[in-house]
Amino acid sequence: DAGVIQSPRHEVTEMGQEVTLRCKPISGHDYLFWYRQTMMRGLELLIYFNNNVPIDDSGMPEDRFSAKMPNASFSTLKIQPSEPRDSAVYFCASRLGASSQPQHFGDGTRLSIL
Amino acid sequence: KNEVEQSPQNLTAQEGEFITINCSYSVGISALHWLQQHPGGGIVSLFMLSSGKKKHGRLIATINIQEKHSSLHITASHPRDSAVYICAVRGGSGSRLTFGEGTQLTVNP
Repeated sequence: DAGVIQSPRHEVTEMGQEVTLRCKPISGHDYLFWYRQTMMRGLELLIYFNNNVPIDDSGMPEDRFSAKMPNASFSTLKIQPSEPRDSAVYFCASRLGASSQPQHFGDGTRLSIL
Repeated sequence: KNEVEQSPQNLTAQEGEFITINCSYSVGISALHWLQQHPGGGIVSLFMLSSGKKKHGRLIATINIQEKHSSLHITASHPRDSAVYICAVRGGSGSRLTFGEGTQLTVNP
């Protein structure tokens, strides 16, 4: 079975540009999570959705960050305008049902803002 | 003080050694996760615990709710076990996870 699919795997862009990260959760999973991982701060939850509805976005760092989930099989995390401090690995994860189930992680998008 | 503390931060072992990684947390939790992140960056969920002990192959995870402590053990370690091991806790009924800083494990042949 296909796991969580993220794209692109790597993104390098200049500061000020808009960046869009994409995630396709495992089919049937009703929870979707966006995480950011940096050396300084480790893994941090940015936002999560349940049935396409954002539930907790308190981890979204600033208004420059936005996330959408237009349908059950697709989510985007957008940064506009991007800054060098946004450089990190961004992971998407999905989960089926209750909190007692494990999260399944994508391979991550390594983002570098120059 | 972080809500989730892991020790050690770095661990180097020889192949075959028994390895223990510890995780202590300061808040009430409803579940604890152990994750493995390979050098390539991918993250795999190893265990999710709310009590007791779980075993999968050479990996064993235990949790003591009263002491707010969990351990991840690797028996007969192998170089392919080299990875970062991350402890994460979920408090209450929500889905938010709080992560430890990870333990970098290197197993030498």
